[in-house]
This record gives sequence, structure tokens and C-alpha cells, in this order.
Amino acid sequence: KAGVTQTPRYLIKTRGQQVTLSCSPISGHRSVSWYQQTPGQGLQFLFEYFSETQRNKGNFPGRFSGRQFSNSRSEMNVSTLELGDSALYLCASSLAISGRAGSEQFFGPGTRLTVL
Amino acid sequence: AQSVTQLGSHVSVSEGALVLLRCNYSSSVPPYLFWYVQYPNQGLQLLLKYTTGATLVKGINGFEAEFKKSETSFHLTKPSAHMSDAAEYFCAMDQAGTALIFGKGTTLSVSS
Repeated sequence: KAGVTQTPRYLIKTRGQQVTLSCSPISGHRSVSWYQQTPGQGLQFLFEYFSETQRNKGNFPGRFSGRQFSNSRSEMNVSTLELGDSALYLCASSLAISGRAGSEQFFGPGTRLTVL
Repeated sequence: AQSVTQLGSHVSVSEGALVLLRCNYSSSVPPYLFWYVQYPNQGLQLLLKYTTGATLVKGINGFEAEFKKSETSFHLTKPSAHMSDAAEYFCAMDQAGTALIFGKGTTLSVSS
């Protein structure tokens, strides 16, 4: 069974631009979560989607948004990029929503975003 | 507030020595607990998980962890370290409504 895939793997943008990252979950998984990883802040939760609905949201500004499609694929968008948005963005999928049996998350390789 | 604390940001062991990575959690109810490993420039790989039932959990690559409710701990161990175990390890907990909460991570170095 194929794992979680994320595209693109690397991105370089400039301040003020916007970016869209894509995530394809493991087949059969309906929950997709996004995380930001930086050396200073570690792994921080962005949002969780299940069956096209945002179920949980982390403490990030409104510039960060996401969505999930009917085939469970997910995208996240960051508008008006800032230097501090440079990070590894990780997507994870699971069978169930957090806190339920089957909620263990499987991660993709991440998208490395650099903002200049 | 719910949180995960990993004691020691960096642990160094010799090849063949015991590996012990410490994790404590703070939660009002027993959470699901996980250990993940991350190699450079890669995503996170699930090592093992505790949900309910047996408190000693075995994972991949010879790792195991024991859930101790009285100590709110979930320490990761491996009897004999291998050079390929050098990586960053993350402890995480999962509760309804919060998604995964991660510790800050512990970098494991293995010397020959």
C-alpha cells in the first residue's frame, strides 16, 4: 500500500507570495492532519480534516488555511508569506479522527518551504 | 494543560549499549501515546503506540515502551543500540479534540 505523498517536496518563495501544498493520504484513510516543523518551535499542529470537514485547528493565524476533497486528498494554503513561515510542512493520514481507535498517524516526507 | 515532556534533548550511547529515552505526559485522562522516529530530511515514522490494554508495547526495530499511569510516563527503550538508530525521536499523545501533541524531541547519537 502506498504511503502518504506530498507535493512538491521543495519550494522557494518570496515574502508576500502565497503557496499551496498538496497531500495524498494512504488509501482508505479519511483523516488528514497538517503540522509545521521548525528548529525553534518543534512540531506544531495546524489543522485536522475528516470527511472534508475541519475537525481541529491549531493556533496559527488566518493566513494558514486548508481543505479536504471528497477523495480525502488535502491541500493547505499559506497567503502573504513571511520569513517565519520557512519550515518543513508535514502531512499525516489516519483511519480515524484523533482520540479514537485507529487514530495513529502516518506521515509523508514533508514539503520544505523556504521564504526569502 | 495537556503536554508532553521529553527529558534530554540529546542522548549519546555506545553501540551495543542500552537506549533509554524519557517521556512524560500531562493529561486529565489517559491518552493514546506514540513514539515516532525522524531521520534527516524525512518525515516521521511510527515506532510504536499505546492505546489500551498491555502496558508494555513492542515496536519496530527492537524498540519497546512501557506505559506507567502512576508516573505519567512512556519511556522508550532498546536493549542494544545500533549505529542505524541514530536519529531524532519524538514522543506524542493523542486526545479527542486536540490531535497529536508532540514533545520537543530527543536526538540519539550512537558511537562505535
